[in-house]
Amino acid sequence: DTAVSQTPKYLVTQMGNDKSIKCEQNLGHDTMYWYKQDSKKFLKIMFSYNNKELIINETVPNRFSPKSPDKAHLNLHINSLELGDSAVYFCASSRRRGTGSGGEQFFGPGTRLTVL
Amino acid sequence: DQQVKQNSPSLSVQEGRISILNCDYTNSMFDYFLWYKKYPAEGPTFLISISSIKDKNEDGRFTVFLNKSAKHLSLHIVPSQPGDSAVYFCAAKDGNEKLTFGTGTRLTIIP
Repeated sequence: DTAVSQTPKYLVTQMGNDKSIKCEQNLGHDTMYWYKQDSKKFLKIMFSYNNKELIINETVPNRFSPKSPDKAHLNLHINSLELGDSAVYFCASSRRRGTGSGGEQFFGPGTRLTVL
Repeated sequence: DQQVKQNSPSLSVQEGRISILNCDYTNSMFDYFLWYKKYPAEGPTFLISISSIKDKNEDGRFTVFLNKSAKHLSLHIVPSQPGDSAVYFCAAKDGNEKLTFGTGTRLTIIP
């Protein structure tokens, strides 16, 4: 029973294409995140949504647009893909902000995106 | 400008001995510190965390120590087991629930 799931697991596409990665969590969490792990294995946050509201938006090109249809889903749409977008993208979720929790985030298995 | 650093990219430890993974940070506003474990082709898995107001937290074989004056934390695993072989990430949380990760340390447990 997967807690945080992502689809697809692998995505190979040509430069200039538009693609989406889907994320779903069944933990009842209010906050969801997208991270990018680049070729140097550096894991960096891109976006965070709390109850469908954007709360963190790091310096990410406008070609990346997160969409949260409900609090259990946070999808990532990428327009006009570039070679530098090749990376592993992780979705994560956590409990509501301000609950005094330790901030534990639960991660999905990742989507390896390869742009040719 | 890396706010969370793990200066050892790799570490090898004999099975049964203690593994010590280190992490340094620069931002004194972080309120929680966390350790994650990652196997290849999987997402990071939460291991243990510590509040910035504590100096030690223990959970089974895992203990995290925090030295605020030195802006340093460490994860101790004892005894080390073969299944502990993985990449370990240190992370620090700010008041906006944003996690900043280190670059990871690959731990190899030698049978």
